[in-house]
Amino acid sequence: GQSLEQPSEVTAVEGAIVQINCTYQTSGFYGLSWYQQHDGGAPTFLSYNALDGLEETGRFSSFLSRSDSYGYLLLQELQMKDSASYFCAVRVETGANNLFFGTGTRLTVIP
Amino acid sequence: EAEVAQSPRYKITEKSQAVAFWCDPISGHATLYWYRQILGQGPELLVQFQDESVVDDSQLPKDRFSAERLKGVDSTLKIQPAELGDSAMYLCASSLAGGFNTEAFFGQGTRLTVV
Repeated sequence: GQSLEQPSEVTAVEGAIVQINCTYQTSGFYGLSWYQQHDGGAPTFLSYNALDGLEETGRFSSFLSRSDSYGYLLLQELQMKDSASYFCAVRVETGANNLFFGTGTRLTVIP
Repeated sequence: EAEVAQSPRYKITEKSQAVAFWCDPISGHATLYWYRQILGQGPELLVQFQDESVVDDSQLPKDRFSAERLKGVDSTLKIQPAELGDSAMYLCASSLAGGFNTEAFFGQGTRLTVV
């Protein structure tokens, strides 16, 4: 099976930088994705890492270390609208190209 | 802009009744997922289709849940009979087939309340 761990809650100040960590245990690991979900909304894709290293997309960056089974999402220049839940999700190569989600991190941005 | 369509948005049903949810994925997306999300938790994969074929239903409670995608396009998820513990958000997502770095696009979900 799959196991993903994320902090349940994070609070940060507007304009600051915040890092949300994700550790995983799975067989057939292929890559790590990050999704954002606002209250009452659908999850939306943020980033995907299949190789070790940092991927940058605007204010958001995502990092993966396959050897450590670890990744993180970095949010810079935080804005109030970034308050949401953030999920890491693993792509596993089980023949079905599954996508399994963690329990999510609730980010609250305060003024 | 293409999007995943789901209906209904909200459904209230009595325990032991049957309920069905519908999903229309983005055109051309061969992979379709049904997830269940309990408030405060991450989406839990119930079933995954590749075209009209089920490729993973290992987490689907098959005694009461069923899913089909007859023509490889839209899909229906059914619960019969519904139980109180089925109250959750049911999310449908779709993605292009063939690549592991393909983004999954989610619909707005169906919020089910079983009373």
